[in-house]
This record gives sequence, C-alpha cells and structure tokens, in this order.
Amino acid sequence: NAGVTQTPKFRILKIGQSMTLQCTQDMNHNYMYWYRQDPGMGLKLIYYSVGAGITDKGEVPNGYNVSRSTTEDFPLRLELAAPSQTSVYFCASAPGRDPYQETQYFGPGTRLLVL
Amino acid sequence: GQQLNQSPQSMFIQEGEDVSMNCTSSSIFNTWLWYKQEPGEGPVLLIALYKAGELTSNGRLTAQFGITRKDSFLNISASIPSDVGIYFCAGKITGNQFYFGTGTSLTVIP
Repeated sequence: NAGVTQTPKFRILKIGQSMTLQCTQDMNHNYMYWYRQDPGMGLKLIYYSVGAGITDKGEVPNGYNVSRSTTEDFPLRLELAAPSQTSVYFCASAPGRDPYQETQYFGPGTRLLVL
Repeated sequence: GQQLNQSPQSMFIQEGEDVSMNCTSSSIFNTWLWYKQEPGEGPVLLIALYKAGELTSNGRLTAQFGITRKDSFLNISASIPSDVGIYFCAGKITGNQFYFGTGTSLTVIP
C-alpha cells in the first residue's frame, strides 16, 4: 500500500509554461483534494472531488484545473504558470464514508517554483 | 475564506513539559481536526472532533471541541523530542471544505 503518491517532487517552471501535477491513491478512497501551502501558512484548498467525474472548487481555484476520470487519479493542471503559484502542493484523499470520511491522508507534496 | 487563528505561533519547551495550543474562529464549525506536519512531509491527522464539548485523546495528545463551536484546543503531555513539528488545526462548517489555521511550530529542547 503506497497511500497517496505525488509526482514530481520538485519542479521549476518559467512564467507562462504549463504543467500537470500528478496524484494517485491506492486506498480506493472516494474523496480527493488539492491544497497549496505557502511559506509559514496553513493549507488552502484549491479543488476537491467526491468521486470519479465530480469535481468542485475550493477556496483558491483560479489558475488551476482538475479532472477525475478514475477513482485513483486526480491530476492538477496549471495552464499559464505565474510567480504567485510558487508554492508546495499537497494532494490528499479520504474514504468519504462514515465514520472516517474526514480522515484525509496526505501525499508528500510537490514543490513548485515559477520564475 | 474563513480565518482560523492559531496561537501561539511558535513554542520552545523543555523535554517533559506539557504543551497547550488553541485555534479560534469567528465562525461556527461542525468539525475540528488537528494535524502534525514534519519538515518535507504532508500533514498527518492526529485527532478528529465532531461534537461541541467533545474531549478526545490519542496517546499523550488530548484535543477538545470548544463549547461555543468557534474554538478548539490541543494539549500534549510530557513532551518528547519527536513531538517537534508544526501543528495545524482545520475546521469544517458544512460540505466538504476544510479551512486550515496558520500553524503552531513546536520545538522541544532535550
């Protein structure tokens, strides 16, 4: 059981470039989330999904897109990278079934630097 | 978005001491979670709270869901060096969206 895996671990992008952050979970969880964490700050929710084919915006969705075609995968897309998107990105998953639906398991993070 | 204020921002304590930290909000929350994050890793869930007044323990950690539903507290008893990390609270009003606090950084001096 690998849990939640994220790739890449670190990436440098130039302004205007695009990239996809990959997230995969092998726990058959229904819920998946993308957060960003800026230095010295808490996590802010970008997008989340409660099941394959269903996604919804979080607190800071601008500049990002997601898709959920399978239960396992929840990629995050940056179309036109901006310096404000420099951050650490965490993917998480949760069972989505009582009583443990709130237990989010986090991946190790992707560090993104936009120059 | 919702603002969760955590205090203190940082703590430096001697090994063996007890630790207390809290999280407050201007909004009423229905769920409170406490996480620990170590350098270079994702947060790990420590305790989940679902009812006002609820007191839940996980080993040396005890957390409480405030009666007003606008705050939560985390205590660590008899701290040890491996308690070092950043502790985050997270709250949910309704739906599936959690809001995170800015964290309390804990340093334990052996």
